[in-house]
Amino acid sequence: ILNVEQSPQSLHVQEGDSTNFTCSFPSSNFYALHWYRWETAKSPEALFVMTLNGDEKKKGRISATLNTKEGYSYLYIKGSQPEDSATYLCASPSRWNNNDMRFGAGTRLTVKP
Amino acid sequence: DGGITQSPKYLFRKEGQNVTLSCEQNLNHDAMYWYRQDPGQGLRLIYYSQIVNDFQKGDIAEGYSVSREKKESFPLTVTSAQKNPTAFYLCASSPAGTKSSYEQYFGPGTRLTVT
Repeated sequence: ILNVEQSPQSLHVQEGDSTNFTCSFPSSNFYALHWYRWETAKSPEALFVMTLNGDEKKKGRISATLNTKEGYSYLYIKGSQPEDSATYLCASPSRWNNNDMRFGAGTRLTVKP
Repeated sequence: DGGITQSPKYLFRKEGQNVTLSCEQNLNHDAMYWYRQDPGQGLRLIYYSQIVNDFQKGDIAEGYSVSREKKESFPLTVTSAQKNPTAFYLCASSPAGTKSSYEQYFGPGTRLTVT
């Protein structure tokens, strides 16, 4: 069973602060790592899909890195804004069945103005 | 606009009744998924379907059933055999394939309460 874990569970920051949080996953049989943003009362939306060790992806003020050898990914938000408030989910599919996506419980970010 | 719709947003049922949750997509995606969310836990896969008329069980399929008669539709039935059906249910789709990891597109979810 593939266990994906996220930390911290929740995070409160001030507007303008930069922040980061962690997703860890078993490094054996790695296939891919997904990050999603889930705003309250909306549907989860994909941020990044990463597959290669050392991958770095960026979308605006949000970026992510991937270390498949040690089994972790970091999500960074530079200069947090109130609209960044959401739950950030990471997920990793099974190498043997990439339809079998394993999700972490999420990091709930609150950005205070 | 392309997307995934789930209905209804809130659903209330009495214990012992079967209930069907709707999921429709117009993204022309081959794969569709049903997840369940419980407080403090990650999304857990109930069923998925890669193609019409075919579907596979996820980790927590017991007490649920699905059908995939059309590419656009993947309804989930929560049967009376599901011991703890009260939860938030999310449907998703993806272009999918067996050789790539595609992002999933999610619906808005249905919150089911069984009393």
